[in-house]
Amino acid sequence: SQTIHQWPATLVQPVGSPLSLECTVEGTSNPNLYWYRQAAGRGLQLLFYSIGIDQISSEVPQNLSASRPQDRQFILSSKKLLLSDSGFYLCAWSVLGTGKAFFGQGTRLTVV
Amino acid sequence: AQKVTQAQTEISVVEKEDVTLDCVYETRDTTYYLFWYKQPPSGELVFLIRRNSFDEQNEISGRYSWNFQKSTSSFNFTITASQVVDSAVYFCALSEAPGYSTLTFGKGTMLLVSP
Repeated sequence: SQTIHQWPATLVQPVGSPLSLECTVEGTSNPNLYWYRQAAGRGLQLLFYSIGIDQISSEVPQNLSASRPQDRQFILSSKKLLLSDSGFYLCAWSVLGTGKAFFGQGTRLTVV
Repeated sequence: AQKVTQAQTEISVVEKEDVTLDCVYETRDTTYYLFWYKQPPSGELVFLIRRNSFDEQNEISGRYSWNFQKSTSSFNFTITASQVVDSAVYFCALSEAPGYSTLTFGKGTMLLVSP
């Protein structure tokens, strides 16, 4: 069966520090991968999606970037965090065309 | 552009009451998928249902039922005989079909079921 792992679960980082969140999927090949962010009191917003290695699409211009160095690995990064980057970050995967996404357990990021 | 509206920010009910969560959507796509996800306090999103735009049959799964009406662009979710374990944030979402399966979410409805 397929599983998705996301870490860390919680992170507190100072403003201006770098960020690296990692997500890996097991039990499937060539998944579509996604990063979503949930700000306080808001719904989920798509940040990036990837349909293959090194193929990244950005939905919202911002202080973040994403990379997919391996088929089942998706990384969310920032060189310098802003206070506004605080939120709950969720990684997800799906099979192309099905629409159905499976989510990781999320990372709660607080920038102080 | 796609848009999903969940007008109810928070709903409080007492256990065993029925509750309906509203969802209205906008899309220019002729084929699309609609979803409901549950987010318990732990934060992980749990998939509940997916509907195709060409399938307007209502669906029932245990205490859960969904009413899809294309004419009003609505996809409402009813929980019958609510339980404390139903307390969570519920998200309605939309994606084009076929496509890259990117989801457009509503802002969510927090459901609080008290004993």
